[in-house]
Amino acid sequence: AQSVTQLDSHVSVSEGTPVLLRCNYSSSYSPSLFWYVQHPNKGLQLLLKYTSAATLVKGINGFEAEFKKSETSFHLTKPSAHMSDAAEYFCVVSDYGGSQGNLIFGKGTKLSVKP
Amino acid sequence: GAVVSQHPSRVICKSGTSVKIECRSLDFQATTMFWYRQFPKKSLMLMATSNEGSKATYEQGVEKDKFLINHASLTLSTLTVTSAHPEDSSFYICSARDYQGSVNEQFFGPGTRLTVL
Repeated sequence: AQSVTQLDSHVSVSEGTPVLLRCNYSSSYSPSLFWYVQHPNKGLQLLLKYTSAATLVKGINGFEAEFKKSETSFHLTKPSAHMSDAAEYFCVVSDYGGSQGNLIFGKGTKLSVKP
Repeated sequence: GAVVSQHPSRVICKSGTSVKIECRSLDFQATTMFWYRQFPKKSLMLMATSNEGSKATYEQGVEKDKFLINHASLTLSTLTVTSAHPEDSSFYICSARDYQGSVNEQFFGPGTRLTVL
């Protein structure tokens, strides 16, 4: 069965410093992996996705993630945090082996950005 | 493209009443729509998967008679919370999968905040 673990429930960085949000996955199949962002009381926005093409995936707003099969990781990074990046981030793996392609969400990491 | 809307965005109701939430794909056809529930400071929990023209598939532990799902067209799915109680208060989010798109990609609505008094 697929699962995803977000290693930090809360990450706090200063504006202008790098961001690292960690995610490890477990999958019996070649997984599809996603990062979504959710601002307070808002819906989910797709940041980026990995679907077996290039292992380094670039997303919106300067975010990127690297798929590392040997480490079963898909960490999200950004070189320089902006105040507007403060939000909840979800790492998601797709149940691609299932008939529905269901998404399985991590518990989320809250990113705080200090001025 | 790939916009999903939900209505209402926020609803407050009395205990014992029923509430209907609509999920629409605005610019694509969605054969499959998903309903999630999100508790405060928690992750999203998949409640059910609905396929156009057929019965919804509910996740384990989700009461199908309490959370009625209808997917009558390729652009509309509805979730009705019947006989709502305060413990049903939550943030409900729908998503839709593009009929012609990747089997793994879902587009999410903005969510509906339900408060049951």
